[in-house]
Formats: sequence, C-alpha cells, structure tokens
Amino acid sequence: GQQLNQSPQSMFIQEGEDVSMNCTSSSIFNTWLWYKQDPGEGPVLLIALYKAGELTSNGRLTAQFGITRKDSFLNISASIPSDVGIYFCAGQQDSGSARQLTFGSGTQLTVLP
Amino acid sequence: DGGITQSPKYLFRKEGQNVTLSCEQNLNHDAMYWYRQDPGQGLRLIYYSQIVNDFQKGDIAEGYSVSREKKESFPLTVTSAQKNPTAFYLCASSIWTGELFFGEGSRLTVL
Repeated sequence: GQQLNQSPQSMFIQEGEDVSMNCTSSSIFNTWLWYKQDPGEGPVLLIALYKAGELTSNGRLTAQFGITRKDSFLNISASIPSDVGIYFCAGQQDSGSARQLTFGSGTQLTVLP
Repeated sequence: DGGITQSPKYLFRKEGQNVTLSCEQNLNHDAMYWYRQDPGQGLRLIYYSQIVNDFQKGDIAEGYSVSREKKESFPLTVTSAQKNPTAFYLCASSIWTGELFFGEGSRLTVL
C-alpha cells in the first residue's frame, strides 16, 4: 500500500518557537488532512486541504498542500504548552472515501517552558 | 453533544479470551471505522463499514470481528486468534468528504 513519510519523528522546542513538520509520499493524493492527538485521546482534525497549492490557516496553525500533490506541510507559530501531542498527517487518494486514508507515523511534539 | 463514544477506556484481558470494544456515534454518519495504534506507528485500519449490515476488512483484520446492526453502533471483537492484541484502539466515523472523526480510544492490555 501507499506510505507516508512524516518528519521529524519527534521535536523538542522552547515555548514561543515556531514549528514545522512535513509529510511526503511517492504517490499522489487528492486530499491532505492534519490531526493532533493528545495523550490517551483520539486524534482531532486540525486542517483539511483539498487542492494542490492550497494554503490554509487555523489560528496559529498553517498547512499547505504541496504543488506536486505528493507532500504537505504543517507549521505552528509561537508554540504554547498545550501544543504538546502527536501530530499526524493523512493522505487520501479517493476524495469522499476514508477507506483510502493513509496515515503518517506521527510527529511527537514537546514544548519546554 | 454529538460525538463518538468508545467504551471501556481501559480493558485488561487474559490470553485466550475474546473481548468486545463498544463504539457508538450520534453524528448520523453512514461510515464507521476501527483503527489500531501502536507506539511510533501510524493508524492501521482493521475494519470499516459504509452502511448498516455491511462491513469490509481493512489492512489488519486477522483476529478481529465486527458487526453493524445499527447505524449508530459498530462494536469490535478482539478474538483469541489475534496474536498481539495489546494496543490502543480507535473508532471513527466519517462524512461524505471522508474526513474522520475519532472517539477517545480504548486501551487493551493482555495479561
């Protein structure tokens, strides 16, 4: 099946710093989704991207759908302690079918005070 | 409030026992899913159901079974045939765009 390479695997940053993470694939995706998972909880959808080149913001979060449709990026500005968690990307080849979702392995973010 | 409810949140099982994880949603979503999460790995699809009384195997269905008798409910049974069942299990449902909404998860530990 398809694989998503998500990096970095983990990050330790100081409060107030900006954060960048990305997902790449050898396959083309029609939709990119970014989720955040708090410890012991289910993932929560942060941003959904539907069009190549699309740049979408949600508060301090900004995500981009790569122009080649094989990658996506998530940036977090001015990090705060509650940003701690695991961030997952997910690519979807067939829009409208969650069956076709492929998840990255996650980026574990730790924010130091 | 609308959402997805999983129970129990924590479950301990002895080897050789079957256990059933509950998943209920009141979002009126047609599709429901079960994922398995292991440390350092992405989510892996176990089973999914797009309509009542119909379900399909995902990527790692061996040792698991499901039913979909009602739109709101999609229970997962972890059978004794599952060789390494200790994991975090996530139930999800989706709208027509395919965006998943997750429950809070159930952590299963085999003693």
